[in-house]
Amino acid sequence: DIQMTQSPSSLSASVGDRVTITCRASQGITNYLAWFQQKPGKAPKSLIYGASSLQSGVPSRFSGSGSGTDFTLTISSLQPEDFATYYCQQYISYPLTFGGGTKIEI
Amino acid sequence: EVQLLESGGDLVQPGGSLRLSCAASGFTFSIYAMTWVRQAPGKGLEWVSTIGTNDDTYYADSVKGRFTISRDNSRNTLYLQVNGLRAEDTAVYFCAKSLVVDGRGYFDYWGQGTLVTVSS
Repeated sequence: DIQMTQSPSSLSASVGDRVTITCRASQGITNYLAWFQQKPGKAPKSLIYGASSLQSGVPSRFSGSGSGTDFTLTISSLQPEDFATYYCQQYISYPLTFGGGTKIEI
Repeated sequence: EVQLLESGGDLVQPGGSLRLSCAASGFTFSIYAMTWVRQAPGKGLEWVSTIGTNDDTYYADSVKGRFTISRDNSRNTLYLQVNGLRAEDTAVYFCAKSLVVDGRGYFDYWGQGTLVTVSS
């Protein structure tokens, strides 16, 4: 199974900050990496697929990069609605696996 | 507008069974793979099972032999039959639609989830 490791598990930030979350796969997954945002009590929301492609409707302050085993999600200027938990997920092979999540707090 | 509406979650005793449903609308259900993902209280996301467009199925080891995924394209509905429930199956169960890009499917839309609680 491919293990997905996110860091940090949580971070404190302020509105306007640039925030970067990292995700590492235990083996190469080329670019089959997705990022999701989840707010408390809500369903996850797709942000990025293919490591760097923005899902339709997602603000351009979100960006993704990486290939192989190391990936990043960057929020260029944190907005109040961005305080949430973020998950990475590999979809190159079964079992599909998620990272443990990164909670962004004020 | 894509909509996924889960139902069927309940409080059930250990060893019990449930059938979860996910009613889909706003897209051509039959041409997309569909997936169940769960989230235990206060925990992260865990993939449970996927069914492809040809009824090919995939399961997490933790549910293999106890859970069965199926679909009814005439009703635009995804199902998850869950048997032999254990306390560790307590979770919100989400259904998700898969969009294939470059030969692999990622989850582009999610439902709001249905809560399964396993307790005596």
